Amino acid sequence: DAGVIQSPRHEVTEMGQEVTLRCKPISGHNSLFWYRQTMMRGLELLIYFNNNVPIDDSGMPEDRFSAKMPNASFSTLKIQPSEPRDSAVYFCASSRGVPKLFFGEGSRLTVL
Amino acid sequence: DQQVKQNSPSLSVQEGRISILNCDYTNSMFDYFLWYKKYPAEGPTFLISISSIKDKNEDGRFTVFLNKSAKHLSLHIVPSQPGDSAVYFCAASVISSGSARQLTFGSGTQLTVLP
Repeated sequence: DAGVIQSPRHEVTEMGQEVTLRCKPISGHNSLFWYRQTMMRGLELLIYFNNNVPIDDSGMPEDRFSAKMPNASFSTLKIQPSEPRDSAVYFCASSRGVPKLFFGEGSRLTVL
Repeated sequence: DQQVKQNSPSLSVQEGRISILNCDYTNSMFDYFLWYKKYPAEGPTFLISISSIKDKNEDGRFTVFLNKSAKHLSLHIVPSQPGDSAVYFCAASVISSGSARQLTFGSGTQLTVLP
């Protein structure tokens, strides 16, 4: 079975540009999570969805960040405009209502 | 406010010896705890978990211990192998809104197993 699929794997952009990260969860999973990993803060939860509905977005750092889940098989995390401090690895994870999450390989974002 | 803390950013152990990774938490509502392992350029992968009703769970070389009164858990790896070198994240879970479960992660501990 395919795992969580994220794209792009690497993104280099300039400050002020819009960035869109994509995620395809594991089929049948009803919860989807976006995490950000930085050296300073480790893995921090940005937002999560249950049955395509955003449940908690309190981890989203600023209004520049937005996330959508239009259907059960696709989610996006958008940063507009991007800033150098947004540089990090962004992980998407999914689960089937149980604590065990399955992670994608991550999207490494570099904002110059 | 870090609800899950891993106070040791790194740990080095000789091959064949025991590795002990520690984790502390503050939220008494957490009812499920997990350890994830992460290699460079890969996503975290599940390693082992424990429910709050237990104090020990073992899976091969990996054992997780939970001390609820101290709000402390630990992961023991014995014997340690070079392939165990990775970042280990402790995570804790609680039922939240909409009956969904979210995980709160610690900052990770880099384990290096020396041959």
